[in-house]
Amino acid sequence: NAGVTQTPKFRVLKTGQSMTLLCAQDMNHEYMYWYRQDPGMGLRLIHYSVGEGTTAKGEVPDGYNVSRLKKQNFLLGLESAAPSQTSVYFCASSAGTTEDTQYFGPGTRLTVL
Amino acid sequence: QQQVKQSPQSLIVQKGGISIINCAYENTAFDYFPWYQQFPGKGPALLIAIRPDVSEKKEGRFTISFNKSAKQFSLHIMDSQPGDSATYFCAASISWRHKLSFGAGTTVTVRA
Repeated sequence: NAGVTQTPKFRVLKTGQSMTLLCAQDMNHEYMYWYRQDPGMGLRLIHYSVGEGTTAKGEVPDGYNVSRLKKQNFLLGLESAAPSQTSVYFCASSAGTTEDTQYFGPGTRLTVL
Repeated sequence: QQQVKQSPQSLIVQKGGISIINCAYENTAFDYFPWYQQFPGKGPALLIAIRPDVSEKKEGRFTISFNKSAKQFSLHIMDSQPGDSATYFCAASISWRHKLSFGAGTTVTVRA
């Protein structure tokens, strides 16, 4: 069991470039989440999904898009990267049960120049 | 605005001491309060969680105290060890929504 994996681990972009972050989970979880972590801000929810083919906005969705075409994968896209999107991005998944533990991936460190 | 306020931002404790982290919330609909632990370069991982029908939950050296009337909860790390050095996040959610609101985090450093 790999749990939650994220690709890539590091990335440097120039302003205006686009990229896609990939999250994969092998726990058959229904719920998947994308967070960004910035110093002093904690973890802020960008987008989430409650099942295959569904997506919904979180706290800070602007500038990001997501897709969940397969249950095990959740993609986060940046269409035109901005320096304000420099952050560490975490993907998480959960079963959606009452004791709702979220399992996090190792993170992607993104720098936008 | 952050729905869960966490303090302090950082703390240093001697080995064997007690670390205390406090969190406060406003939304009385929250009914699940987990704490996550994050080591440098890793993703957060669930440490311990509590529901508002109990005032305290203990797992090993980690204890959550919960005060429903004050809308506050705290994490106590007893007999702190250098291996406890990490960032700790409190969080809260309305169970059926399955979305966590996180505090800003507390970096704990345990000195040997």
